[in-house]
Amino acid sequence: EDQVTQSPEALRLQEGESSSLNCSYTVSGLRGLFWYRQDPGKGPEFLFTLYSAGEEKEKERLKATLTKKESFLHITAPKPEDSATYLCAVQADSNYQLIWGAGTKLIIKP
Amino acid sequence: NAGVTQTPKFRVLKTGQSMTLLCAQDMNHEYMYWYRQDPGMGLRLIHYSVGEGTTAKGEVPDGYNVSRLKKQNFLLGLESAAPSQTSVYFCASSIGAYEQFFGPGTRLTVL
Repeated sequence: EDQVTQSPEALRLQEGESSSLNCSYTVSGLRGLFWYRQDPGKGPEFLFTLYSAGEEKEKERLKATLTKKESFLHITAPKPEDSATYLCAVQADSNYQLIWGAGTKLIIKP
Repeated sequence: NAGVTQTPKFRVLKTGQSMTLLCAQDMNHEYMYWYRQDPGMGLRLIHYSVGEGTTAKGEVPDGYNVSRLKKQNFLLGLESAAPSQTSVYFCASSIGAYEQFFGPGTRLTVL
């Protein structure tokens, strides 16, 4: 069965304290892995798509990496405005549907 | 461009009542989706459409119906609302089976 597990469920960091969020997946043929950011009361906002193991993408303080079993979202020197829930989803090469993780709630304290 | 918009933003229904949620996108996307989001769970796909006049079932379609009469609009209907349908509903659209862009959501409470 295709599934996505994100860890930790919640992460509290001090401003400037770098860390990583994990997205582990099981899928029969990966077409793509997606990272989204979701602020309270809003819809998910697209961040990155990764297609193959070894691929990396960066945006400001965020860098996403991909292996054959998991993806990491590294956050470097975070600021309070980086506080949000980060969602991971995978897409199998057999259909269009995304399989979503439950998310990691990131809190950055000033 | 407004992107993806959803109407209404909030709604309270009584058990057994019906309603329609409207999603509109101005990005000329072919694919559109309806999800529900519940606490502690990932987004779950209700129905989706790969083009005007087409619809298909997702992971949790029971109790919902959809229509895609125009390319830019995707409607989600609840014929007889149940408390289990209390949730936040998100619409999304995409160019083909690629990254999806989401609306702001509709918070629905069924009493």
